[in-house]
This record gives sequence, structure tokens and C-alpha cells, in this order.
Amino acid sequence: DQQVKQNSPSLSVQEGRISILNCDYTNSMFDYFLWYKKYPAEGPTFLISISSIKDKNEDGRFTVFLNKSAKHLSLHIVPSQPGDSAVYFCAASARMAAGNKLTFGGGTRVLVKP
Amino acid sequence: EAGVTQSPTHLIKTRGQQATLRCSPISGHTSVYWYQQALGLGLQFLLWYDEGEERNRGNFPPRFSGRQFPNYSSELNVNALELEDSALYLCASRMFGQRSGYGYTFGSGTRLTVV
Repeated sequence: DQQVKQNSPSLSVQEGRISILNCDYTNSMFDYFLWYKKYPAEGPTFLISISSIKDKNEDGRFTVFLNKSAKHLSLHIVPSQPGDSAVYFCAASARMAAGNKLTFGGGTRVLVKP
Repeated sequence: EAGVTQSPTHLIKTRGQQATLRCSPISGHTSVYWYQQALGLGLQFLLWYDEGEERNRGNFPPRFSGRQFPNYSSELNVNALELEDSALYLCASRMFGQRSGYGYTFGSGTRLTVV
């Protein structure tokens, strides 16, 4: 049972344009959502997060939107830069889950073309 | 500040053997999490250790086990290796009690190849 899904395995975008990454979840107990970025041969690094009490969180070029009724979140990167080329993972946690373990989606590989 | 360190970087084992992977958390972090990233898949939760105890485990068979030492470093053992155990194994650490998920810091992983 895949509780967090990223249905687009890859995304190609022109430098300077917007990248939109999508993520869907099924577990209504999830109340905290995160995006991680991963380069080859490195561990994932935290990018941005959002609590379920909010519907938007912005940090520089990165904005995460949460639609709780649709159990959907998205990450917008504007403008996209070549250094943004990486695999992006959506993750979710539940306050009541022991240790706040993260449940990850399958990842979306983003390629930003110069 | 040193990050999460994992060793070895790469490991090649034969089917049926045992593999031992090691993780040193960030100083001050007491919780260690292990995740498996098989080819083309997302990160699957394996194990969580805190204060030397296994606190939670994911949907993996008992041949995946580990331990946490008094200095909070951790070891992941995989017995009776199968070909499908080939994956990147990631370790993450955080301070226990931190609410937000961004308290996770990941290591660079150990690439295990079973032949």
C-alpha cells in the first residue's frame, strides 16, 4: 500500500521556467509534509515543509501548496535553474506515528535544460 | 559539524552472505533511521533506533536487523542476502522529540550489490 505517490517519474523544464512537482497521499493521519532533493551519490537534503494547518509555504524560489481535501500537495520552483536538476521526494509524517517516521513517495527526476 | 557518515560506501556480497552497514549520527542526535532505496523506487522505511532500542520497524523480513550502540552509532545487518536486497541503504539521524521532519539529516548511503 503506497501511501505517498508521485505519479510523474520525470519532468523536463527549460531554465527560467516553472517546475511543478505533484504528490498525492492516502493516509488522512498525515499532518506534516516535506520535500527532499537528492543528487546522485548523496543523501536526500531537506528542501521545504508544510504543516497541515497551512495551505501554502514559501521559501525563496520554492513554494509548497497543500490541498487537504484532495490529499494533494505540489512543489513549485520558480525560476528553475540547472542546479535544480535532481530527484525530488515528497514525504509525509503523522504526529501520532512513533518517532515521526517519514513515508516517502517514489520520487520525480527533474531535468532543467539551459 | 560533521554530518551523518555511513560506511562502507559500496559493498558487494554474494547471495546467502551477510552484510553489515554502519552509520554514525550527527553529534547530539539520538535517533537513527534506516531506509532502503531500491532501483526505481522511493525510500522505504526499515528501522528506527533510539537510546539503544529498536522503536519501530517497517515491512521487512526479520533477516533485516540492527542495533544502536551507546555512542548512538548504528549497524544494519542483512542476513541470507537475496538479489533483491541490492539497493542504496540510507541512514538518517535526528534529535528525539523534534517534531518537524526537517530534523532528519541523511547520510550519503551505502550501495549494496548482491550477486
